[in-house]
Amino acid sequence: AQTVTQSQPEMSVQEAETVTLSCTYDTSESNYYLFWYKQPPSRQMILVIRQEAYKQQNATENRFSVNFQKAAKSFSLKISDSQLGDTAMYFCAFMKHRNAGNMLTFGGGTRLMVKP
Amino acid sequence: SAVISQKPSRDICQRGTSLTIQCQVDSQVTMMFWYRQQPGQSLTLIATANQGSEATYESGFVIDKFPISRPNLTFSTLTVSNMSPEDSSIYLCSVKGARDEKLFFGSGTQLSVL
Repeated sequence: AQTVTQSQPEMSVQEAETVTLSCTYDTSESNYYLFWYKQPPSRQMILVIRQEAYKQQNATENRFSVNFQKAAKSFSLKISDSQLGDTAMYFCAFMKHRNAGNMLTFGGGTRLMVKP
Repeated sequence: SAVISQKPSRDICQRGTSLTIQCQVDSQVTMMFWYRQQPGQSLTLIATANQGSEATYESGFVIDKFPISRPNLTFSTLTVSNMSPEDSSIYLCSVKGARDEKLFFGSGTQLSVL
């Protein structure tokens, strides 16, 4: 079974600064996908970024980027130029390769507060 | 991306009653997933619903408590049966995008059981 661990229950950052959220996972799979989801108070789960394990290049989406360390089983999220709208719960998630199903295993979440 | 409509958005229910949550997708999808998010917690998969077959339940979840229907490729329902206060949670449906391995979520149903 896979496990996903987010060791930072809460974090805060000043507006316009950079923050990094940590995520580690444990799996025996060699091919898989990793995700970061954002959940604002509206409850909507919003996909922030996705990483395919077989790709060495770190994924980026505008102000969001990841540091994927496969050997260390680490998948951190960096948010640059933080905005007030980034305030939300952030969940790291793991998914096996498509042929093994598409269900997600989530970490416990990190509550991020962006301060003006 | 897939557009998912989930209803109701919230409800307050009495102990012992049942609530059916609906999930409508704007495109045909093979698999739909139902998750539960207990207060202050992360998301836990309840079951996977494939069209034309019985849903597959995760450990700790049973069909009698959480019956699921999947009548076609764009719609599914999850029923929370014989509710107790411990069932107070957010319930979310999710589908995989058509092109790649991305999962999209409905807006969730906030359930409170008195």
